[in-house]
Amino acid sequence: KQEVTQIPAALSVPEGENLVLNCSFTDSAIYNLQWFRQDPGKGLTSLLLIQSSQREQTSGRLNASLDKSSGRSTLYIAASQPGDSATYLCASKGGSARQLTFGSGTQLTVLP
Amino acid sequence: SAVISQKPSRDICQRGTSLTIQCQVDSQVTMMFWYRQQPGQSLTLIATANQGSEATYESGFVIDKFPISRPNLTFSTLTVSNMSPEDSSIYLCSVEGGAGAAETQYFGPGTRLLVL
Repeated sequence: KQEVTQIPAALSVPEGENLVLNCSFTDSAIYNLQWFRQDPGKGLTSLLLIQSSQREQTSGRLNASLDKSSGRSTLYIAASQPGDSATYLCASKGGSARQLTFGSGTQLTVLP
Repeated sequence: SAVISQKPSRDICQRGTSLTIQCQVDSQVTMMFWYRQQPGQSLTLIATANQGSEATYESGFVIDKFPISRPNLTFSTLTVSNMSPEDSSIYLCSVEGGAGAAETQYFGPGTRLLVL
């Protein structure tokens, strides 16, 4: 059974810093890995999707990498802003049911 | 992409009652997924609903407690039956953005349920 772990559970940084969020998974047989953002009391917003055959994806200040062999993904946020404050969730998609397995999330606070 | 709406957005219910949550998608999709997010927790898959067949439930979730309907390719409902305070959660509907398994997963805004 797939297990997804995110470290750290919480992170606080001053505005302008570059930061990295980590995600690890136990089963490398995945279709893709997605990073989501969740604001308090809200649903999920998809940030980046990395296909199993890809190594990284970029969108604006965000860059996500995938290393299936080591079971790791990272989300890099450049020049962080207070508006980036949210919980970031990674999820791997796999299995015959094509279901997502979520990590527990990293709660990011960017201080002005 | 897929745009998903859910009703109600939130509700406060009494113990022992039932609530039906609706999920509407702006395009036809084969598979719809229902997730639960308990306070302070990550998301857990409840069941997968394919149109025209019975929903497939994950371990720990049963049809009597969470009956699901999938009458067509754009709509689904999840009922939370005989509610208890432990059912207080955010319930989210989700679909795949395309035909392939590797496609982006999209989520509705969620239904925030509080059971007293």
